Amino acid sequence: GAVVSQHPSWVICKSGTSVKIECRSLDFQATTMFWYRQFPKQSLMLMATSNEGSKATYEQGVEKDKFLINHASLTLSTLTVTSAHPEDSSFYICSASHRDPLSYEQYFGPGTRLTVT
Amino acid sequence: DAKTTQPPSMDCAEGRAANLPCNHSTISGNEYVYWYRQIHSQGPQYIIHGLKNNETNEMASLIITEDRKSSTLILPHATLRDTAVYYCIVRVAGSEKLVFGKGTKLTVNP
Repeated sequence: GAVVSQHPSWVICKSGTSVKIECRSLDFQATTMFWYRQFPKQSLMLMATSNEGSKATYEQGVEKDKFLINHASLTLSTLTVTSAHPEDSSFYICSASHRDPLSYEQYFGPGTRLTVT
Repeated sequence: DAKTTQPPSMDCAEGRAANLPCNHSTISGNEYVYWYRQIHSQGPQYIIHGLKNNETNEMASLIITEDRKSSTLILPHATLRDTAVYYCIVRVAGSEKLVFGKGTKLTVNP
């Protein structure tokens, strides 16, 4: 099956610093990657959609200058949380898809837990 | 906004079938029903999806009513490892977005 990895799996950073999270599709080329955020005991909230080689599309209410997304290749997308604050502490999950007209699926990474102190 | 309604929690005995309902009364003709589950502190896992016919794979069965306004995910022989939050999602054909609702927390008891 399709595998998506994330790195790091957890990170602690100080307020005001920036943190980069990587999302990789290991055994397929992902035409589209997605970034979600999940606060404790809540559901996943889509933050942005990115296609390789083009700018990400952000959901309403998500600050594009704070959450920088780069999708430089068909197997790698990165999310950079700039000038992180404690309220950015959350579980960040990426997913990847490849267009299959018969069976569209999104494959999710294991998530990255960010704690901002 | 999520276009589905699910009970917040359910319990099931180990070895028995778990039947998880989902209401999607506003579903359109070109919208698919997807099921994912999320085990605590992990990324969601794809289970199954369908358009109007019932579907079965190695993990589960998906029963969609004839009017497509509701569906049921069936785990035929639940195990303790099936304890998770199960999300029923309606996806518009041609759109790649998945909008997650609150899901159903299924607890499988020994």
